[in-house]
Amino acid sequence: RKEVEQDPGPFNVPEGATVAFNCTYSNSASQSFFWYRQDCRKEPKLLMSVYSSGNEDGRFTAQLNRASQYISLLIRDSKLSDSATYLCVVNLAMGGKLIFGQGTELSVKP
Amino acid sequence: DGGITQSPKYLFRKEGQNVTLSCEQNLNHDAMYWYRQDPGQGLRLIYYSQIVNDFQKGDIAEGYSVSREKKESFPLTVTSAQKNPTAFYLCASSPTGWGGSNTGELFFGEGSRLTVL
Repeated sequence: RKEVEQDPGPFNVPEGATVAFNCTYSNSASQSFFWYRQDCRKEPKLLMSVYSSGNEDGRFTAQLNRASQYISLLIRDSKLSDSATYLCVVNLAMGGKLIFGQGTELSVKP
Repeated sequence: DGGITQSPKYLFRKEGQNVTLSCEQNLNHDAMYWYRQDPGQGLRLIYYSQIVNDFQKGDIAEGYSVSREKKESFPLTVTSAQKNPTAFYLCASSPTGWGGSNTGELFFGEGSRLTVL
């Protein structure tokens, strides 16, 4: 089983849609969780950290379910500019090695 | 502007040749990393360095070598021993390394695409 596994893509949605991605992790000792965004043929950039209580940043909501060992990213009111690959990232301890998922591609169409 | 600079952006190599990818940062970060990304796969860690003059193997170090003689520089050499070197190589840095107050944010360079002909 992979350490971090994401929903296989691609997700093709119309503008304005709400879309959610899931990511499961295998190690119950994992401590910190993040979502990165990677545009086509570009470098990844941190989108948001995921906190135990869940957190929101504008149209983006991240949630953590420790019991089921998954994190999710919800995007509301999708924009064309949201088209990218979203990478789930986990580390085992604060400041520890980051494990990247394979990414979920999102394509938002007009 | 502070950041990470990788060069070259695109590189073609014949089989059997070694190539060196450059990575320079002016963020004054202690830790630097090299990742490899293949289509449909996540980033895989090749080597990392938490402090100057020290580095450790990551998950896929075979066929690669690095040096960290200066804080701002962490070059990666892809040797002829690397069986399948065609990939997108990403260099990253963070203020501290594993075990520090690392927030989980890595700052990436724009990457180098290596193609073996």
